[in-house]
Amino acid sequence: AQKITQTQPGMFVQEKEAVTLDCTYDTSDQSYGLFWYKQPSSGEMIFLIYQGSYDEQNATEGRYSLNFQKARKSANLVISASQLGDSAMYFCAMRERERDQKVTFGTGTKLQVIP
Amino acid sequence: EAGVAQSPRYKIIEKRQSVAFWCNPISGHATLYWYQQILGQGPKLLIQFQNNGVVDDSQLPKDRFSAERLKGVDSTLKIQPAKLEDSAVYLCASSSGKRTVAYEQYFGPGTRLTVT
Repeated sequence: AQKITQTQPGMFVQEKEAVTLDCTYDTSDQSYGLFWYKQPSSGEMIFLIYQGSYDEQNATEGRYSLNFQKARKSANLVISASQLGDSAMYFCAMRERERDQKVTFGTGTKLQVIP
Repeated sequence: EAGVAQSPRYKIIEKRQSVAFWCNPISGHATLYWYQQILGQGPKLLIQFQNNGVVDDSQLPKDRFSAERLKGVDSTLKIQPAKLEDSAVYLCASSSGKRTVAYEQYFGPGTRLTVT
């Protein structure tokens, strides 16, 4: 089974609208962390937001929030008030304590913001 | 604070040639990762170091790839001989290495390898 599944290869969103990027994960570990990274066309990977498995509150960082539903094993990224500069690839990733802190990435979602 | 440094940024070689990539992690980061990212895919972990020891190299094609991290600081990834399917971006990342899941990875700019 895939550790991280991102089912949306591509998404479009109108500028200033909100968008949700889906991520589901598979682990038997009790302690894990979930991350979202942004990769613009220039290629660098930029850390956006982190959610720990024991965190009761959903993580938020500025316009980014993580909709964490532990029972469903989903960790969707919500971007509010989309901007043209948000156009990029977005990767969901998971680190599992029992697997020596190894980080596994999903296949990514390409987001395009339309003016 | 300086970020993760990688060199070269771009490399074009012919198949069967050798190539080496260099990475200098953020100062004080004990954990260093090398990823291969093929166009249109997510990064795939090749090898993970904790200080100068290998934690995971299960996805490293050991017949042609090798990596070392001398003195637990910078690292070199080598491919010998290269194949066409090795064309990818090679990303180096580092994290604090503390035994908690909370610490994000910081990535370098990557090396784009083209094998012709």
